[in-house]
Amino acid sequence: DVKVTQSSRYLVKRTGEKVFLECVQDMDHENMFWYRQDPGLGLRLIYFSYDVKMKEKGDIPEGYSVSREKKERFSLILESASTNQTSMYLCASSDLGRNSNQPQHFGDGTRLSIL
Amino acid sequence: GQQLNQSPQSMFIQEGEDVSMNCTSSSIFNTWLWYKQDPGEGPVLLIALYKAGELTSNGRLTAQFGTTRKDSFLNISASIPSDVGIYFCAGQLRNFGAGKSTFGDGTTLTVKP
Repeated sequence: DVKVTQSSRYLVKRTGEKVFLECVQDMDHENMFWYRQDPGLGLRLIYFSYDVKMKEKGDIPEGYSVSREKKERFSLILESASTNQTSMYLCASSDLGRNSNQPQHFGDGTRLSIL
Repeated sequence: GQQLNQSPQSMFIQEGEDVSMNCTSSSIFNTWLWYKQDPGEGPVLLIALYKAGELTSNGRLTAQFGTTRKDSFLNISASIPSDVGIYFCAGQLRNFGAGKSTFGDGTTLTVKP
C-alpha cells in the first residue's frame, strides 16, 4: 500500500513565524501535491511537483513556497505565517502513468493553527 | 480553471437507505475518481473510472463515468453508520499537469442509526 506520511498531525505557530510542513511518500512516486482544506471550500491546490527540484504553482500559491530536494520528500513552507493560513493541510502523491492518469494518495493531514 | 459541481452539499439519511451523489463539469475529463474522507483523516480512494460509460463497484459502492465524459455518479446502497464522512469527486485530464486533479467541494454524509 502507498504510504504518505505528514510529519505532524497538529501544529500551533505564531504570526510571523516561518513554518515547515513535511511530507514523505514511500512508493517512488514522481508527482507530489500540497492542498489546503477549509470548510465549504473543498480542496485547493497550493503547489505541486512532478520531479525533484521541479515545482509548479497551483491555484493559491500566495504566501507559500515548496521544496523538493529528494524524490520522496515534499516540503511546504509558510514564509511568514498569518492567521488566514490556519487550515488543514493535505499532502498527496501519485505515480507517473504511462497510459492513463494515476490517482493521488493522501496523507492524514496537518491541522495548522496560527495564533 | 476547470470547475466541478458536486451535489448535494450534504445529506442526512437513515441507516439502511440508499445514497446518490453526482459531479458535473462544463468540460470533459479522461478520468473520474471518488474519494472518502473520514473525520480527522486524509481522503482515501474509493473508485477510479477510466472510460466513458464505465460502471464500477466496490462493495456497496457503485460509480459511473458519464457517457458525455462531463459527469460522474456515486451510489451507496444500504448505508451503515461507518459510511459517515465527506465524499469527493475528482476529474483528471490525460497527460496534463503532472496528474493534477480537479476536486469537487464534497458531499458530507450523515447516517442516523
